[in-house]
Amino acid sequence: DAGVTQSPTHLIKTRGQQVTLRCSPISGHKSVSWYQQVLGQGPQFIFQYYEKEERGRGNFPDRFSARQFPNYSSELNVNALLLGDSALYLCASSLGATSTDTQYFGPGTRLTVL
Amino acid sequence: AQTVTQSQPEMSVQEAETVTLSCTYDTSESDYYLFWYKQPPSRQMILVIRQEAYKQQNATENRFSVNFQKAAKSFSLKISDSQLGDAAMYFCAYIPAYAGGTSYGKLTFGQGTILTVHP
Repeated sequence: DAGVTQSPTHLIKTRGQQVTLRCSPISGHKSVSWYQQVLGQGPQFIFQYYEKEERGRGNFPDRFSARQFPNYSSELNVNALLLGDSALYLCASSLGATSTDTQYFGPGTRLTVL
Repeated sequence: AQTVTQSQPEMSVQEAETVTLSCTYDTSESDYYLFWYKQPPSRQMILVIRQEAYKQQNATENRFSVNFQKAAKSFSLKISDSQLGDAAMYFCAYIPAYAGGTSYGKLTFGQGTILTVHP
């Protein structure tokens, strides 16, 4: 079975632009979570979506938004990019949205903001 | 707020030897889950092991085992018979059993420990 997939692998944007990152969960998984990992640090939680509804939100500005589609795939959008948004963005999928559901991570999208 | 601390930025081990990575956490919850994830240079975060706080028995997965000390809020990872493929960044992570508010799905990670394996 395929694992979590993310696209694109790498992305270069300039300040002020907008970006959309995509994630496809493991087959059968209904929940997707997004994390930001700045170089040399642990991932920071951004959002969790379950059954197309936002269930959890981390301490990120409103420039960050996400949505989940009927096939459980998800998009993360970041508007008005800042240099500090440069990071690895990780998507994780889980069967459900409870803490008992282990999260499995994708390979990430490396975003560079110039 | 829950915090996870990994006090060892870097560790090294000889191939076939044993190494222990440390993790402490702070929480007022009594029921929670703890994880060790491995992130090789390829970036893919891979689940190594999971521990449920209500279980007294330490989790094991082949060469990987944990020492879970609930009272001390300590959760260390022991890697036995280290292999070159074990070289990676290791993250300790925590999630409460019953999340509330906006914290659903929120894994809290430590800063990571870079493990080098010498042949």
